[in-house]
Amino acid sequence: GENVEQHPSTLSVQEGDSAVIKCTYSDSASNYFPWYKQELGKRPQLIIDIRSNVGEKKDQRIAVTLNKTAKHFSLHITETQPEDSAVYFCAALKSWGKLQFGAGTQVVVTP
Amino acid sequence: DAGVIQSPRHEVTEMGQEVTLRCKPISGHDYLFWYRQTMMRGLELLIYFNNNVPIDDSGMPEDRFSAKMPNASFSTLKIQPSEPRDSAVYFCASSNGQMNTEAFFGQGTRLTVV
Repeated sequence: GENVEQHPSTLSVQEGDSAVIKCTYSDSASNYFPWYKQELGKRPQLIIDIRSNVGEKKDQRIAVTLNKTAKHFSLHITETQPEDSAVYFCAALKSWGKLQFGAGTQVVVTP
Repeated sequence: DAGVIQSPRHEVTEMGQEVTLRCKPISGHDYLFWYRQTMMRGLELLIYFNNNVPIDDSGMPEDRFSAKMPNASFSTLKIQPSEPRDSAVYFCASSNGQMNTEAFFGQGTRLTVV
């Protein structure tokens, strides 16, 4: 089955700086890569996703890149703000079904 | 649609008691997932259903855990007997596999076994 590794486990950044979270996956047939954000005490919510037919996708301050050859994908948050503080999860999916998440990254944005 | 609805939001029970968690997926979604979240183990996939049929229950920790989906609008996760190590937040999520869209999560049930 799919195995997703996520790094780092914690990330502290100054407000205004960029944050990068990296994930690797094991199954080369995976073709869908979502990122979820979970604020304290709340449910995980999708913030951006990418499919295997593109290498990069951007949505305002958030971007995701995908390298299928190396089997890794990354989340980039630019101009970080305090409200970006949360736990971020990546996932990789081969065909719709077994959606398994990475271990999560605790992001802390300090003013 | 009100989204994925879980009940109860909080549950405190004594060790050895039976616990039943409930989930109503988004109407029209054909996939339903049960996850357990703890600080130590993160978000663990316990089981998922497609069109009410359990597809993969390899994440269910042991025989004390069971899940059912009697129809497209309702699923339960049962723990019998419950143990303190079962304390966690349990999330239900649903998605539309035909559209290959995101998984939407419920608010979760915070279970405490004392």
